[in-house]
Amino acid sequence: GESVGLHLPTLSVQEGDNSIINCAYSNSASDYFIWYKQESGKGPQFIIDIRSNMDKRQGQRVTVLLNKTVKHLSLQIAATQPGDSAVYFCATSGAGSYQLTFGKGTKLSVIP
Amino acid sequence: NAGVTQTPKFQVLKTGQSMTLQCAQDMNHNSMYWYRQDPGMGLRLIYYSASEGTTDKGEVPNGYNVSRLNKREFSLRLESAAPSQTSVYFCASRGQGYTGELFFGEGSRLTVL
Repeated sequence: GESVGLHLPTLSVQEGDNSIINCAYSNSASDYFIWYKQESGKGPQFIIDIRSNMDKRQGQRVTVLLNKTVKHLSLQIAATQPGDSAVYFCATSGAGSYQLTFGKGTKLSVIP
Repeated sequence: NAGVTQTPKFQVLKTGQSMTLQCAQDMNHNSMYWYRQDPGMGLRLIYYSASEGTTDKGEVPNGYNVSRLNKREFSLRLESAAPSQTSVYFCASRGQGYTGELFFGEGSRLTVL
């Protein structure tokens, strides 16, 4: 099965700075990658996703980078705001698989 | 649209009791999922249903059963609850295929004494 991990369990950033949340995965057959945000007491919310045939994808204030050579995924949040404070999860699945495997999460705290 | 609705939101059980968590989605999605979330463990897949009429085991299926009642509803049953099943349970659904956003419910917090 896949093992999905995060480099840091917690991350504190100053409001207005950029945030980078990292994720390592172990299965080279991973084909689909997705980031979720979870606020306290709520269900996870979709942020952005990327397929293995891409290296980079941008959304509103967020960018996901995929490095398949070293099996590493990152989420960049531009101009971090207090509302970005949450736990962020990366998740992966293999080609043709419905099973999405989640990492343990990184808690992002934004300092006003 | 309500999205994904889970009931109940909170439940306390005694060891050995049974219960069913209900999940319904109103987005006409094909696949549905049950995850559990424990502190420091992230979300782990219990069971999923790729389409109406099919169910498959995920990473941690032991102690659980599921039913895909129709396209809208996917229930999770604990036949004989154990303290190790104390967790927050999330139901999710996805539109087509095996990529794309999973839409999650708000969770059901279960405590087994």
